[in-house]
Amino acid sequence: ETGVTQTPRHLVMGMTNKKSLKCEQHLGHNAMYWYKQSAKKPLELMFVYNFKEQTENNSVPSRFSPECPNSSHLFLHLHTLQPEDSALYLCASSQEGAGGGQETQYFGPGTRLLVL
Amino acid sequence: GQNIDQPTEMTATEGAIVQINCTYQTSGFNGLFWYQQHAGEAPTFLSYNVLDGLEEKGRFSSFLSRSKGYSYLLLKELQMKDSASYLCAVRGTYKYIFGTGTRLKVLA
Repeated sequence: ETGVTQTPRHLVMGMTNKKSLKCEQHLGHNAMYWYKQSAKKPLELMFVYNFKEQTENNSVPSRFSPECPNSSHLFLHLHTLQPEDSALYLCASSQEGAGGGQETQYFGPGTRLLVL
Repeated sequence: GQNIDQPTEMTATEGAIVQINCTYQTSGFNGLFWYQQHAGEAPTFLSYNVLDGLEEKGRFSSFLSRSKGYSYLLLKELQMKDSASYLCAVRGTYKYIFGTGTRLKVLA
């Protein structure tokens, strides 16, 4: 139990569907992240929310839309995805500004997404 | 540019010692992390280095040389459950950069 939960764990969707991924952290952290993990590629940072403010958007296509209503919850809204978007989507959280290694990221179990 | 290099795969025998290397080039440096990831599961934190030297935690140790942009993860007394991917990550100025991971297979 890492203190970060994600739902759903598995998702199959068509290219015209709209779905949302949900992440919740129970660690009292102030930063949350969305990563994409594809086979044989490094974890790709998609979005960062620090104190609920989006601080990073690594040129992610607009078909991915993040939402962070509070410091404990993070959503990733998906619409009109492409087959190449099939991947494991990982959420993580950390306590920024703590120093001394306390900025360690803790990951959720991920959502395995398949786009048909 | 920024990049992290680590071997794609390694194989070792149960009970042995294995060293997984990681080299990095990043903008800024605020620590190096090692994560373990079993297939289909989340990465879990193993170790953190921000100063040069060796950090030991049970069967796992991690070493850092900032001047060389180099780290390694040392696993002793290998067990079958250590079969997993090991991710090297560097915290740069504003964000984390991850390597592709090293898939370790432990053979009986």
